[in-house]
Amino acid sequence: QSVLTQPPSVSGAPGQRVTISCTGSSSNIGAHYDVHWYQQLPGTAPKLLIFGNTNRPSGVPDRFSGSKSGTSASLVITGLQAEDEADYYCQSYDSSLSGSWVFGGGTKLTVL
Amino acid sequence: EVQLVESGGGLLQPGGSLRLSCEASGFSFDNSALAWVRQAPGKGLEWVSGISVNGEITHYADSVKGRFTISRDNSNNALYLQMNSLRAEDTAVYYCAKVADSGSYYNDYIDYWGQGTLVTVSS
Repeated sequence: QSVLTQPPSVSGAPGQRVTISCTGSSSNIGAHYDVHWYQQLPGTAPKLLIFGNTNRPSGVPDRFSGSKSGTSASLVITGLQAEDEADYYCQSYDSSLSGSWVFGGGTKLTVL
Repeated sequence: EVQLVESGGGLLQPGGSLRLSCEASGFSFDNSALAWVRQAPGKGLEWVSGISVNGEITHYADSVKGRFTISRDNSNNALYLQMNSLRAEDTAVYYCAKVADSGSYYNDYIDYWGQGTLVTVSS
């Protein structure tokens, strides 16, 4: 059971918009710690997608955006493309666990 | 180009020990915090351990505390993870990771990942 809760799967057709949620609590996201997002394509290492809640590293398309409110964060992908099919993970810090970064359980995005 | 290359994985029996290594290049190693993250087969990511720039501050997930030790050698651009008293549930791909400095440990994140090394613990 992950400290940060993500839906196990989401899906959408090419060109559509999908949202992946990341729900935490008052000891992590709700405590104003930043949320970061990673994309893991099949058979590869994770890659940084969003950092500091809303920021994209250079090279990440602006179709990907992040937001945070209260004890939750969201990753939005617009103009869905086949190559977006991957696992997505949120990450933050949790003050109830000593020194601990925490990841969400991951969301599998399927492009129909 | 940032490169992180893990080595040292393998198959071993429960109760055994293993030392993972990570060779880094392409960035200022002695100015970067580092971490290990693992992924059990078919499962999600789990943060394992982190180490500060000079190696004086370390953090561990509760699941490995007292069994794993993270260390670094800034003169050789290397990161290590000594794993003792291994259990079946430690079976995973272990990723070496470069930590981006956000100005606060609590808001740091991983900006580069290695390709991982597989550790299998089984009798």
